[in-house]
Amino acid sequence: GDSVTQMEGPVTLSEEAFLTINCTYTATGYPSLFWYVQYPGEGLQLLLKATKADDKGSNKGFEATYRKETTSFHLEKGSVQVSDSAVYFCALSDPDDMRFGAGTRLTVKP
Amino acid sequence: GAVVSQHPSRVICKSGTSVKIECRSLDFQATTMFWYRQFPKQSLMLMATSNEGSKATYEQGVEKDKFLINHASLTLSTLTVTSAHPEDSSFYICSASDTSGASYEQYFGPGTRLTVT
Repeated sequence: GDSVTQMEGPVTLSEEAFLTINCTYTATGYPSLFWYVQYPGEGLQLLLKATKADDKGSNKGFEATYRKETTSFHLEKGSVQVSDSAVYFCALSDPDDMRFGAGTRLTVKP
Repeated sequence: GAVVSQHPSRVICKSGTSVKIECRSLDFQATTMFWYRQFPKQSLMLMATSNEGSKATYEQGVEKDKFLINHASLTLSTLTVTSAHPEDSSFYICSASDTSGASYEQYFGPGTRLTVT
């Protein structure tokens, strides 16, 4: 079945550092791909998404490109802030299913 | 790691009937659980935050009388779709956080596919 493999955390960075969180997937069809963010004590929030190959999702300085050839959807941000500290989830969705990665905790220190 | 189960995984019901979906944290206690809804090829929509021993907090636009949430214990939250209609057909997912330590990671249930005929 479909699955998502996400880089394990925790990840600790200094403010203004470059962020990459790796995500790869396996799917039999052509799923949509998502990154969700969860701040302490809160539910999931959609961060960005891409619905087909080569699409780039972006939001709040975060980007991820749907790479079909490498089955990847890595999350990147050029300069992280303390307020970006959260748990990030990669996910895929097709008409019949939705799968999440395990989540990666990011801590950004001033 | 922590495990969250949902039951049933799939359910088909007739229009006008009610369906109950259970979300359980299997090896940890969860004072807060979240219920999400997802349409095909779309992102999750947070429906409500379920708080043990108190009323759920619903997101704007979610009918609290239609989607009844009960969080009677630290390991169980239930979502009841009352008087279901075909437009309620969707994928429902719960998540829970292990609050025993300092972690805020959410653990997701496998989801429940509801089809209303």
